[in-house]
Amino acid sequence: AQSVSQHNHHVILSEAASLELGCNYSYGGTVNLFWYVQYPGQHLQLLLKYFSGDPLVKGIKGFEAEFIKSKFSFNLRKPSVQWSDTAEYFCAVIPQTGANNLFFGTGTRLTVIP
Amino acid sequence: DTEVTQTPKHLVMGMTNKKSLKCEQHMGHRAMYWYKQKAKKPPELMFVYSYEKLSINESVPSRFSPECPNSSLLNLHLHALQPEDSALYLCASSQVLAGGHEQFFGPGTRLTVL
Repeated sequence: AQSVSQHNHHVILSEAASLELGCNYSYGGTVNLFWYVQYPGQHLQLLLKYFSGDPLVKGIKGFEAEFIKSKFSFNLRKPSVQWSDTAEYFCAVIPQTGANNLFFGTGTRLTVIP
Repeated sequence: DTEVTQTPKHLVMGMTNKKSLKCEQHMGHRAMYWYKQKAKKPPELMFVYSYEKLSINESVPSRFSPECPNSSLLNLHLHALQPEDSALYLCASSQVLAGGHEQFFGPGTRLTVL
């Protein structure tokens, strides 16, 4: 069965620290990959997505993610976090064939300390 | 127009009330989705409509009744809800139901059941 794992449940960083959030998926076929962010009390926003091509994708607000097919991973990175990055981050995948089911990871809560 | 809109933003209802949530998109998308999201959890899929027909019902209780009156609108009728149904209800749309298409999310309706 398809699944998405985010092993970091809660990450606490100081401002200017570097961030890497892990995301691994389990699926036998080709997938499209997404990172969503949800700021406190707000709705889901798309940070970045990977469909094909360069496995290093850049998103909004200085975030980037790298798709490593051999590791079934799509880790999110940011070189220097800000207090305003405090939010819940969700990794998600959609298989490229079959129904357009969006599988979410359980989310990682990021707290950035000023 | 790349937006999914939802009304109302907030809704408070009693357990005997009947209310409806509305979702609208004008991107020409033919697949629309309802998700339920509890605090600090990923969205859970409830219903999927494809070309105005119900395609997926993820074993949702009958007190939730979806309706797709046309290709741009999606409603969720609520009746006799329980306090545990309090959550953020998200609507999303994608070009079609076939795999790989990005889902665009609305801002959600925050529902409180008293």
